[in-house]
Amino acid sequence: AQSVTQPDIHITVSEGASLELRCNYSYGATPYLFWYVQSPGQGLQLLLKYFSGDTLVQGIKDFEAEFKRSQSSFNLRKPSVHWSDAAEYFCAVGAGSGANNLFFGTGTRLTVIP
Amino acid sequence: DTAVSQTPKYLVTQMGNDKSIKCEQNLGHDTMYWYKQDSKKFLKIMFSYNNKELIINETVPNRFSPKSPDKAHLNLHINSLELGDSAVYFCASSQLARRNSPLHFGNGTRLTVT
Repeated sequence: AQSVTQPDIHITVSEGASLELRCNYSYGATPYLFWYVQSPGQGLQLLLKYFSGDTLVQGIKDFEAEFKRSQSSFNLRKPSVHWSDAAEYFCAVGAGSGANNLFFGTGTRLTVIP
Repeated sequence: DTAVSQTPKYLVTQMGNDKSIKCEQNLGHDTMYWYKQDSKKFLKIMFSYNNKELIINETVPNRFSPKSPDKAHLNLHINSLELGDSAVYFCASSQLARRNSPLHFGNGTRLTVT
């Protein structure tokens, strides 16, 4: 069965510092992997996705993620965090034909301090 | 130019009532979804419709009935509301025929049952 683990419930970083959010997945086949961000009172916005090919994926707002099959991980990174990045971040794995049945992790809340 | 819109944004009602949440997408997508986000921010798929046909129906009480009058609309009707139904309900859409198509989410409907 598919599952996603985000080990960090809450992370606090200083503005300008680098960021890494962890995500581990469990899936029997080649996974489709996603990172979404949810700002307070908003829906989820797609940051980036991995379907195949290059294991380092670039997304919006200078985010990137690296798929490591050997570690079953898809960690999200950003070199320099902005105050506007404070939000909840969700990693998801797609079952079936890709994105039509997503299994989400429990999210990581990011706080950015000045 | 909202892509996926849900109404209402907030819904407060008493136990035992029947309520509906509406969702519309103007992206031309062929597939729509309902997700439930609980108080711990965990997101779980409830239903998915492709071209007005139900394709995903997770273990959800039959008090929840989705209805898709056309592929741009997916409404959620809930009968005999219970306290445990309190959550944020997200509508989403995607183009299933295009494997790389990610989900686009609405801003959510916060349902509070008292």
